[in-house]
Amino acid sequence: DIMMTQSPLSLPVTPGEPASISCRSSQSLIHTNGHSYLNWYLQKPGQSPQLLIYLGLNRVSGAPDRFSGSGSGTDFTLKISRVEAEDVGVYYCMNALQTPFTFGPGTKVDIK
Amino acid sequence: QITLKESGPTLVKPTQTLTLTCTFSGFSLTTDKVAVGWIRQPPGKALEWLALVYWDDDKRYSSSLRSRLTITKGASRDQVVLTMSKMSPVDTATYFCGHFDPGTYYRPFNYFDSWGRGILVIVSS
Repeated sequence: DIMMTQSPLSLPVTPGEPASISCRSSQSLIHTNGHSYLNWYLQKPGQSPQLLIYLGLNRVSGAPDRFSGSGSGTDFTLKISRVEAEDVGVYYCMNALQTPFTFGPGTKVDIK
Repeated sequence: QITLKESGPTLVKPTQTLTLTCTFSGFSLTTDKVAVGWIRQPPGKALEWLALVYWDDDKRYSSSLRSRLTITKGASRDQVVLTMSKMSPVDTATYFCGHFDPGTYYRPFNYFDSWGRGILVIVSS
C-alpha cells in the first residue's frame, strides 16, 4: 500500500496570512499519462470531506482560487494564499493512483 | 446534481455483520463510467478508504479489511451495499459513501467529488 504523510499535523493560522501544507507519498504517484494522482480534501467541522484539488494541481470547480496545489511524484504542497475564517478544518491528501486508495493523517487548520 | 445517502443500523453488537446501503441519484452506475466507494472515519481520527465498485462491476478493497468486506451493486439500480463482517468496537466510525469519477486516460480525474453525509455506526454490546 502507498503510505501518505502530512506536515504539519496542526496549523494555527492568522486570517489574511498564507498557509502551506505538505504531503508526501511512499511511492511516486505519477501515472503513465504523466499526471500525478494526488487529491486534496477539506473536511470542515461536522461536514463531509469536499474535494479541493485533483491531479496534484487542478482546482475543482467551486473551490476558491486562494487554494493552489503543486508538486509531483512523491512531494506535494497545498497553499492557501490568504486564509479566511471559513478555511478551518482538516485537510487530507489522498493517493488516487492505485487501490487501495490511502489518505494522509490530516492537517488540522484553525485560527490563532 | 449528484446526491448520496448512507443508511443502515447505527448500533451493532460485536461479532455481528454490518450492512450499509448507499442510495444515490444524479448518475447511473450502469451507464456512466463511474464508481461508488466507501470511506470511514473513527471519531476524531483520519479518513480510511474501504472499498469501491466500478460501473463494470470491478471491485476493489482495503488491503487490511479485504477479508471482512463485500461491496455490491444493490438490487435497485440506485444503490450500492457494503457488508463488513466480524464487527468489533474498533470499527466504530462514521461511514461515508462517495461518487468516484475516474475520467479517462487522456482526461483523468480519479476523485471522490460527491459524498454522503455519513452514518455513525457504534459497535457495542
